[in-house]
Amino acid sequence: GQNIDQPTEMTATEGAIVQINCTYQTSGFNGLFWYQQHAGEAPTFLSYNVLDGLEEKGRFSSFLSRSKGYSYLLLKELQMKDSASYLCAVTSGTYKYIFGTGTRLKVLA
Amino acid sequence: EPEVTQTPSHQVTQMGQEVILRCVPISNHLYFYWYRQILGQKVEFLVSFYNNEISEKSEIFDDQFSVERPDGSNFTLKIRSTKLEDSAMYFCASSPGDRVNEQYFGPGTRLTVT
Repeated sequence: GQNIDQPTEMTATEGAIVQINCTYQTSGFNGLFWYQQHAGEAPTFLSYNVLDGLEEKGRFSSFLSRSKGYSYLLLKELQMKDSASYLCAVTSGTYKYIFGTGTRLKVLA
Repeated sequence: EPEVTQTPSHQVTQMGQEVILRCVPISNHLYFYWYRQILGQKVEFLVSFYNNEISEKSEIFDDQFSVERPDGSNFTLKIRSTKLEDSAMYFCASSPGDRVNEQYFGPGTRLTVT
């Protein structure tokens, strides 16, 4: 079957670092994505990993371990505007995408 | 900065009616997608489209759904006979040819079926 698991909700303090985990079991794998989605808005692309290792992009980094079916999104120097849902998604076919239910992150002052 | 646009922002229709949701992808993008998100639930992939044909579709994308790129700019999703459970936010997305995995989403059309 196809399954993507993420924590439902996380809370962190402004200025802190938070790590959002994602585990997946899919029949195929062609890459893993992270999106940010503010309430009532469209998802915004954050990162794409297809090889094992860490990809860094400013305050956001994403890590992938294909052998473990595991990824995390690391957010540093948290800001209030980072309060949003973070969606993990896997492409299991050439252009076919499976999304997790998302992790709702609350950043507190 | 170029962006994906969608019209209408909100569509209300009666069960059994046909609806067409419209999208204008970013102009030099080559790959196009439709997703839906039922309120409070996860984003679900419907279909991907490249070179004027469907590349992949999900189990949700049955015979009631169709997509078209009628001209060089629009990309439409048609639902032939809407059901109550089709009520959702429908997102269009597009991605460029050299970065196919970097999808840009439109603001969505909220479809309400009564």
